[in-house]
Amino acid sequence: GAGVSQSPSNKVTEKGKDVELRCDPISGHTALYWYRQSLGQGLEFLIYFQGNSAPDKSGLPSDRFSAERTGGSVSTLTIQRTQQEDSAVYLCASSPGGTSGLGETQYFGPGTRLLVL
Amino acid sequence: AQTVTQSQPEMSVQEAETVTLSCTYDTSENNYYLFWYKQPPSRQMILVIRQEAYKQQNATENRFSVNFQKAAKSFSLKISDSQLGDTAMYFCAFMKRNGNNRKLIWGLGTSLAVNP
Repeated sequence: GAGVSQSPSNKVTEKGKDVELRCDPISGHTALYWYRQSLGQGLEFLIYFQGNSAPDKSGLPSDRFSAERTGGSVSTLTIQRTQQEDSAVYLCASSPGGTSGLGETQYFGPGTRLLVL
Repeated sequence: AQTVTQSQPEMSVQEAETVTLSCTYDTSENNYYLFWYKQPPSRQMILVIRQEAYKQQNATENRFSVNFQKAAKSFSLKISDSQLGDTAMYFCAFMKRNGNNRKLIWGLGTSLAVNP
């Protein structure tokens, strides 16, 4: 079946603008993750959604970042008032759910490269 | 706190040869999962192999295998018969579980170049 998809592939924006990044997980996967990959920080966890449970937002770097997941499927990561340090690749992943090794395995989308000028 | 260390920022290997990438981690948990992912220039993060900590047997996926040493907290990746398409960044990752919450803790990666 189809893998995780993300849009847009690339986004260039001006400092202070808001951006929305979209993630479509693998059909049937109950868990969804957002990570940020930047040169200076490596890969960082941002947020985790599992089914209808409250999301784990502990990785969001500031209150300018928010994410939602509608209908247990598509997720949107929103960055308000973008700053140059927000420039990075934003990766989305999904997993089947459950506590088995297979259920915990994350499959990644191609990422969105964000450049804030 | 859980940490993941990859001590080799860059490595190279000749086509058809074998190469081993190192990874060590720190955790007080007893039951956990470890992963190797590869990221070619296309940016797509691709699962290479998974190891369950409760399994003593090392995981194997075709040309890829791991040497999992739980007591030493070591999780190295061996690539046999290296191919040009194996050129990529390789990341070691530890699945941190806290109640119902989950996240991957990542190493900084090893850039592998396979030379013809």
